[in-house]
Amino acid sequence: NAGVTQTPKFRILKIGQSMTLQCTQDMNHNYMYWYRQDPGMGLKLIYYSVGAGITDKGEVPNGYNVSRSTTEDFPLRLELAAPSQTSVYFCASSNSRTVYGYTFGSGTRLTVV
Amino acid sequence: AQTVTQSQPEMSVQEAETVTLSCTYDTSENNYYLFWYKQPPSRQMILVIRQEAYKQQNATENRFSVNFQKAAKSFSLKISDSQLGDTAMYFCAFMMGFRDDKIIFGKGTRLHILP
Repeated sequence: NAGVTQTPKFRILKIGQSMTLQCTQDMNHNYMYWYRQDPGMGLKLIYYSVGAGITDKGEVPNGYNVSRSTTEDFPLRLELAAPSQTSVYFCASSNSRTVYGYTFGSGTRLTVV
Repeated sequence: AQTVTQSQPEMSVQEAETVTLSCTYDTSENNYYLFWYKQPPSRQMILVIRQEAYKQQNATENRFSVNFQKAAKSFSLKISDSQLGDTAMYFCAFMMGFRDDKIIFGKGTRLHILP
């Protein structure tokens, strides 16, 4: 059972480039989330999804886009990368029926130069 | 809006000692869930303990226990017999009841266990 898998683990982008952070879960969780963690800070919610075909903005959505075409996958798209998007990105999932908190991926460290 | 405050940015204790990490939160809701997550240097987020607001009994998980004071909106984490492997960032987190599954995190407390 792999849980939540994020790829890549590390990435360096140049300003203005675009990329997609991949997130896949194999637990049949209906809820999925993207957070960013800036140095010395807690996690801030970027986008979340309550099921396939449904997404909504979190606290810091600007500069990002998401899609949820399947239960398993929840990719995060960065368009026109900026230095302010340098952060560690975490994908997480949960089963809303159990309320046992999230299962997190191992994170993606992104640097925009 | 709900907020989570961790007033101790960093702490250090000797191995085998007991340490308490503080957390306060603000909400007008009556049904909610509270969590402590551990983030070791590996960066992985690990659930340490959870508490349902409707339960008066404090949650415990081996060496980890909480002091949940609902009226005071306080949710502290006690680590007994601390071990070197407890060195990590600890995040207090809040989630409303079944209406909303979004978790709000505090800024974290960096805990160092000294040999």
